[in-house]
Amino acid sequence: SQTIHQWPATLVQPVGSPLSLECTVEGTSNPNLYWYRQAAGRGLQLLFYSVGIGQISSEVPQNLSASRPQDRQFILSSKKLLLSDSGFYLCAWSGTAKGSRGNEQFFGPGTRLTVL
Amino acid sequence: RKEVEQDPGPFNVPEGATVAFNCTYSNSASQSFFWYRQDCRKEPKLLMSVYSSGNEDGRFTAQLNRASQYISLLIRDSKLSDSATYLCVVIPNNAGNMLTFGGGTRLMVKP
Repeated sequence: SQTIHQWPATLVQPVGSPLSLECTVEGTSNPNLYWYRQAAGRGLQLLFYSVGIGQISSEVPQNLSASRPQDRQFILSSKKLLLSDSGFYLCAWSGTAKGSRGNEQFFGPGTRLTVL
Repeated sequence: RKEVEQDPGPFNVPEGATVAFNCTYSNSASQSFFWYRQDCRKEPKLLMSVYSSGNEDGRFTAQLNRASQYISLLIRDSKLSDSATYLCVVIPNNAGNMLTFGGGTRLMVKP
């Protein structure tokens, strides 16, 4: 079966510091991968998605970037965090999971980021 | 107008009650529809896909009304463990696998 991992689970960072969040998927090949942010009490906002190694599409302009160095690894980064970057960061994957039609997305446990 | 709209609630219901949520979407060419469940401070989890003919999974029934552009989720015999936020999710036509999320409806089931 497929599993998705994210780390760290929680993170407290000062304004202006760098960020690196990692997401890995197991049990599937060539998944589509996604990064979302959910601000407190708000809906999910798609930040980046990737259909393959080195292929990244950005949905919103911001000071964040994403990379996909390996098929099942997706990284979210920032050189300098802003207060507004605080939120719940969720990685998701889609692809051919048993019993699915291929377009459902499955989420990792998330990273809760607080920027002070 | 938001692409996917939901009543934020909260819906406060007693155990055993039947509760229904509706969700409207603006893109008439949308092709895929889902309900996700999100517990407090947790990730969303797929509850069920919504098929054109409607579908049922135990106590949960999902319906799609294309003419009026809404989907619904019916929960029968509510349990305390059903307390969560229910997210309506739509994939617009030609959007690949891009999900558009509603803001969620919060359900609180009371003893």
